[in-house]
Amino acid sequence: QQQVKQSPQSLIVQKGGISIINCAYENTAFDYFPWYQQFPGKGPALLIAIRPDVSEKKEGRFTISFNKSAKQFSLHIMDSQPGDSATYFCAASISGNTGKLIFGQGTTLQVKP
Amino acid sequence: KAGVTQTPRYLIKTRGQQVTLSCSPISGHRSVSWYQQTPGQGLQFLFEYFSETQRNKGNFPGRFSGRQFSNSRSEMNVSTLELGDSALYLCASVTSAGYTGELFFGEGSRLTVL
Repeated sequence: QQQVKQSPQSLIVQKGGISIINCAYENTAFDYFPWYQQFPGKGPALLIAIRPDVSEKKEGRFTISFNKSAKQFSLHIMDSQPGDSATYFCAASISGNTGKLIFGQGTTLQVKP
Repeated sequence: KAGVTQTPRYLIKTRGQQVTLSCSPISGHRSVSWYQQTPGQGLQFLFEYFSETQRNKGNFPGRFSGRQFSNSRSEMNVSTLELGDSALYLCASVTSAGYTGELFFGEGSRLTVL
């Protein structure tokens, strides 16, 4: 029940295309869903996050779509750029557990020029 | 504003030894979390400290321990190292934005156990 399942494991997209990464969770107590971006040799960095009271959140080229009934959420990267090539992790947390995130397995994104 | 600092960045140990990793959080952040990152298991939560008290603990054996000092700096210790402990150990400094915090990760300490 504590797992967050992420797919695909790897993704190759052409420059300008849309990258889509999906996550699913089981624990209905989760109420905070962030996405982290990690470049080689660096620690993960928060990209965008959503709470279950909204179905979509957009920040620049990055959008989270959230489906509470299906217990799924996804990250869409519009107009993907080579600089977006990184590993992306979805995560989930329960209020009050501020430092404890349950991470998905990660998706390695490669954006080809 | 300085980020999260982890030391050492790289270290090599042999089975049976112990290791201590250090983390200095962002100034003003009082909560520190530790994660283990491996290719097979991904990012797994180890524990979280707030005001020198362990607030949360993940599903790791007792060989993994940590502590936090009054200046919010934190250390984690792994005793009786096993080959499977080879990993990137990440420390995250936590800010309380709303009721769930954003994690600011350091660059990690890469441990290799031979």
